[in-house]
Amino acid sequence: AQSVTQLDSHVSVSEGTPVLLRCNYSSSYSPSLFWYVQHPNKGLQLLLKYTSAATLVKGINGFEAEFKKSETSFHLTKPSAHMSDAAEYFCVVSKAGGFKTIFGAGTRLFVKA
Amino acid sequence: EAGVTQFPSHSVIEKGQTVTLRCDPISGHDNLYWYRRVMGKEIKFLLHFVKESKQDESGMPNNRFLAERTGGTYSTLKVQPAELEDSGVYFCASSQVGISTIYFGEGSWLTVV
Repeated sequence: AQSVTQLDSHVSVSEGTPVLLRCNYSSSYSPSLFWYVQHPNKGLQLLLKYTSAATLVKGINGFEAEFKKSETSFHLTKPSAHMSDAAEYFCVVSKAGGFKTIFGAGTRLFVKA
Repeated sequence: EAGVTQFPSHSVIEKGQTVTLRCDPISGHDNLYWYRRVMGKEIKFLLHFVKESKQDESGMPNNRFLAERTGGTYSTLKVQPAELEDSGVYFCASSQVGISTIYFGEGSWLTVV
């Protein structure tokens, strides 16, 4: 069985400060892990993915995430927040081949000027 | 290359009416998925097609929902009759067989009044 928990429903940061969005997962097999972002009234955009290659994954717009098997975590980070980063972020776990894809509840990121 | 396209982007219907949502996957993607997010809730899996076959329909909420993918190309999701609790965003996604990365459309926003 698989599950994914996003530890914060809301995160608020000031522009120019680091972003940390936390995600823990549970999986009975080697998972594929993803972060997606949804801007208001838009679709889901893939930020980055982990599929058993490098544990530090770099994505678009300066985001990166580190897969830590011992901690069953896949936290999303960015060194410096920008106003345009304000959106909702989803951590997603799936089995190889796209089966049994499960979404976290989402973390809404607010960026203050 | 065109992404996943969904139609209509928004619809408002009365309780008891019928709505049909359409999804065109990325060309060459045999996997097609439907998800939905009702207001304030998590994004939930509805079903998964591989070509024209239903691989997994465990997430379909009840028999008012009917999904088809004739010919293994585009898919439709029909809600008949619509209820108030069906309001939300319906996302379609697609992927290549054997590849975990799923690409999402912009979503179809459904409001039942």
